[in-house]
Amino acid sequence: DAKTTQPNSMESNEEEPVHLPCNHSTISGTDYIHWYRQLPSQGPEYVIHGLTSNVNNRMASLAIAEDRKSSTLILHRATLRDAAVYYCIRGQAGTALIFGKGTTLSVSS
Amino acid sequence: AAGVIQSPRHLIKEKRETATLKCYPIPRHDTVYWYQQGPGQDPQFLISFYEKMQSDKGSIPDRFSAQQFSDYHSELNMSSLELGDSALYFCASSLGFGLAGFSYEQYFGPGTRLTVT
Repeated sequence: DAKTTQPNSMESNEEEPVHLPCNHSTISGTDYIHWYRQLPSQGPEYVIHGLTSNVNNRMASLAIAEDRKSSTLILHRATLRDAAVYYCIRGQAGTALIFGKGTTLSVSS
Repeated sequence: AAGVIQSPRHLIKEKRETATLKCYPIPRHDTVYWYQQGPGQDPQFLISFYEKMQSDKGSIPDRFSAQQFSDYHSELNMSSLELGDSALYFCASSLGFGLAGFSYEQYFGPGTRLTVT
């Protein structure tokens, strides 16, 4: 049971921001929110993670709702190389990743 | 930077044969995870090891076994192969809660594509 809900697919244009939503209404207090992405024919790749506060790194930003029941991954300027399946995963630090049905992001030029 | 190495990259076996997949984690990483991704499916967790001990178990069939060795590499042994075992097998490594620090991220290898005919 992945315990997160994401839209099946989203589309974006190059150089536009992308907001990928995730619902995790049953998240526990010690669960982190992890985002991974999988490009075609590659292994999953870590994107970002957070617990309560919003987080930024070189790849993306993670906005976490105050009640922690939802979060949004923000890609500030989509590129063709960002086309991938994005997985939102909740879980405790240092534990296995339980993948659900991620969001397939398409990016058009 | 060094990445996770998996071998072989491709493997073709017949039903009822055995297969061994190998995973070499990033240097200093003491935790290894195995995932299986069937065609058109999402990755599924199989088993994990921390400091050479099994740390967690997912949906790994009884026909499969795995271990982590003293140099932290890991092997996934698969016996009595079935057609449904055809999949991509990913290994990921990370730093556990040891003296070397801790990493939240798991770093995935390129995968081994197993085809059972």
